[in-house]
Formats: sequence, C-alpha cells, structure tokens
Amino acid sequence: DSGVTQTPKHLITATGQRVTLRCSPRSGDLSVYWYQQSLDQGLQFLIQYYNGEERAKGNILERFSAQQFPDLHSELNLSSLELGDSALYFCASSAGTENGYTFGSGTRLTVV
Amino acid sequence: GESVGLHLPTLSVQEGDNSIINCAYSNSASDYFIWYKQESGKGPQFIIDIRSNMDKRQGQRVTVLLNKTVKHLSLQIAATQPGDSAVYFCADLDQTGANNLFFGTGTRLTVIP
Repeated sequence: DSGVTQTPKHLITATGQRVTLRCSPRSGDLSVYWYQQSLDQGLQFLIQYYNGEERAKGNILERFSAQQFPDLHSELNLSSLELGDSALYFCASSAGTENGYTFGSGTRLTVV
Repeated sequence: GESVGLHLPTLSVQEGDNSIINCAYSNSASDYFIWYKQESGKGPQFIIDIRSNMDKRQGQRVTVLLNKTVKHLSLQIAATQPGDSAVYFCADLDQTGANNLFFGTGTRLTVIP
C-alpha cells in the first residue's frame, strides 16, 4: 500500500456520460497530480494541485476538470466521455518539494 | 523525458544477466531524475533517483547513470530476476517550474527464466 488511495478501481460507463474519480493523497502530502495512461503508453500529465489550488496544467482536455478539497483529497471529473477516454487514471502525491511522487494504484476507466 | 504517445520499446534478458535501460531527456533545466517501475495493473513505483550534481548512484541491485552532456540517463539492473519484469519509466523534474514530473515513453523489460 503506497498510502495514496484511489477509488473506484474499475469503472465502466457509456459514451456521453460523466464520471468522478477520487484520490486521497498520502498523509502530509500537499500536492496531488493526475496522470492518464492509455493502453501500452506512457504517463500523460493532466493537472496538479497544491494545497487546494491548481498549480499546473498538462494535456488535459476541456471536458476534464479537477479540484482539491480542504482535506486535500482530489477529484477528477471526466464528462462527455468518448471511447478514447478509456485508460488508466493515476493519482500521485508528494510533499510538494523536490522528491518524487507516490502513485496510487489507479482507476481503470472503460468507456463503451 | 517527455510523455509521448508511442508504443513501448522492449528489452528481453535472461535471468541472471544484467539489464540496461536507457532514457533520453530534453529539458536542460531538469535537475532531478527518477526511475519508476510499473508492474501490470499497478501504479508506478519509485526505484531510484539522482540529482544533476551526481553522475552515478547505486541502490540495491540497481545503478543509475546520468550524462548531462548528452542528456542521457540509464538504469542498470544487476542479476535480473523474473520479478524485475515490468515497464520502466524515467522521469525528470524541472524544479524551476511547478515541480512536475515528465515521464519518458517507458521500456518493457521481460526476464526469460
């Protein structure tokens, strides 16, 4: 157990729908990062939050949004889902300094 | 590294042999590098890191080499074991910005028993 908790582990939904992925960071970590990993591909950085505020944006679609709450958990909202959104979505957290991230085990999203 | 949508390169090694996985990065401002291991169905797991003021760092059975001149990073795994089979990613961190990690495309290591 890495200390980063992601729910749900699996999600199957239809095109056009909206889903919310949840992440609880490791205790004490202020930064949360979201990554998308499509089949057999690398990790695409989506967005970062630090202590409740958006810090950086990567290749995140306009249909996607995220937020970090006062208790530091984060949610990634994916709307108007398309087949191509099927992927693993990882959340990672860090103490917000120079160290590496700790990843959760991911949410596997399947859009049918 | 930069995250790009390419299929993963692969490396197959015999159990007991040494493995070398290479990575190129593009950001000259990167000053911190990490290797991650990702097993099937799991999240990436930290293996070893290195800062730009070093050119070599050793861990348990793993060594990371950094060549800043050519922006190249390598991960050496000694006496490779079946449990080392996984996808390996290098990542670099530009601490002048928002401290985001950018991942390379990854290499799939397969250990042949």
